[in-house]
Amino acid sequence: SQTIHQWPATLVQPVGSPLSLECTVEGTSNPNLYWYRQAAGRGLQLLFYSIGIDQISSEVPQNLSASRPQDRQFILSSKKLLLSDSGFYLCAWRGDSGGAYEQYFGPGTRLTVT
Amino acid sequence: AQSVTQLGSHVSVSEGALVLLRCNYSSSVPPYLFWYVQYPNQGLQLLLKYTTGATLVKGINGFEAEFKKSETSFHLTKPSAHMSDAAEYFCAVDVSGNTGKLIFGQGTTLQVKP
Repeated sequence: SQTIHQWPATLVQPVGSPLSLECTVEGTSNPNLYWYRQAAGRGLQLLFYSIGIDQISSEVPQNLSASRPQDRQFILSSKKLLLSDSGFYLCAWRGDSGGAYEQYFGPGTRLTVT
Repeated sequence: AQSVTQLGSHVSVSEGALVLLRCNYSSSVPPYLFWYVQYPNQGLQLLLKYTTGATLVKGINGFEAEFKKSETSFHLTKPSAHMSDAAEYFCAVDVSGNTGKLIFGQGTTLQVKP
């Protein structure tokens, strides 16, 4: 069966510090991968999605970036965090065939920028 | 542009009462529709989905939803609420095909009173 991991689970970082959040998927190959941010009291905002290695699309202009160094690994980064980057970050995957249209979500990372 | 509207950011019901969470979408193409549930500080869990075929779909935990094309709606229902149903619920639409990008509603927090 497929599983998705995210780490760290929680993170407190000062303004201006770098960020690296990691997401890995097991039990599937060539998944579509997604990064979302959920701010307090708001819905989910799609940040990046990837349909393959080195195929990453950005949805919202910001100081974040994403990379996919391996088929089942998706990394969210920032060189300098802003207070507004605080939130709950969710990674998700979707199969690329077989009529499986739903996304499956990881447990999330709670980021607090101080 | 595609969008999803969830009517009511907070819904409160008594235990054993009917649960009705409303979702309307706008889409220029036949949509794939989803309901997800989120418990505090956790990722999203798929409740049910509509892709094609039968318009009444059944999901986990006794939930079901009906796709009504004429009303552009996909309301979520459960005949009898349980305390464990208290959570946040998100409706989402996928109109992007290959990329699998989802557009989420703002979410509805369900409170279940004893």
